[in-house]
Amino acid sequence: DSGVTQTPKHLITATGQRVTLRCSPRSGDLSVYWYQQSLDQGLQFLIQYYNGEERAKGNILERFSAQQFPDLHSELNLSSLELGDSALYFCASSVRTGSRNEQFFGPGTRLTVL
Amino acid sequence: AQKITQTQPGMFVQEKEAVTLDCTYDTSDPSYGLFWYKQPSSGEMIFLIYQGSYDQQNATEGRYSLNFQKARKSANLVISASQLGDSAMYFCAMREGQGDYKLSFGAGTTVTVRA
Repeated sequence: DSGVTQTPKHLITATGQRVTLRCSPRSGDLSVYWYQQSLDQGLQFLIQYYNGEERAKGNILERFSAQQFPDLHSELNLSSLELGDSALYFCASSVRTGSRNEQFFGPGTRLTVL
Repeated sequence: AQKITQTQPGMFVQEKEAVTLDCTYDTSDPSYGLFWYKQPSSGEMIFLIYQGSYDQQNATEGRYSLNFQKARKSANLVISASQLGDSAMYFCAMREGQGDYKLSFGAGTTVTVRA
């Protein structure tokens, strides 16, 4: 158990819908990252938040947005869903100390868009 | 350009034998970190080992060791004494810079351990 929690574990929805994925980082970790894992794109970085502020953006679609709340949990919102958004979405967290800064991953949310 | 390249899509290894997973990387940043993660069929990502660009010695964590060849930009993972539970997908990843930055992942290598 990495200490990072994600809910829900599975999500099945239809095209055009909107969903929210939730992540709670490890206690004390200020950085939260979102990654998408799909068969065709592999593991791709989406976005990073640090202590409530957006820190870095990767290949995140405009239909997707995220935020980090004062209690440091984060939500990833996916809207106008398309079949190609079906993927495993990971949240990871890290604490900014030293040079190692390994990221600890949550169990992921498997999104299926029908 | 691909930052992390894993050229072996799949490998078979006999139980109790060692296996080497290849990883090459591309960066112009002198400060970076290299990571290996394991993803079993259940889906979670498990951190295995870390190597910093300034580390003088190769990293080791139990049965995992990292063969770091900086000039060749390679960071191969060696799993010794393979166990059935080692069957999984293995990802090499890189963080550029010293801070808490994003990871760039390779395509992964599937390892199947045979009894």
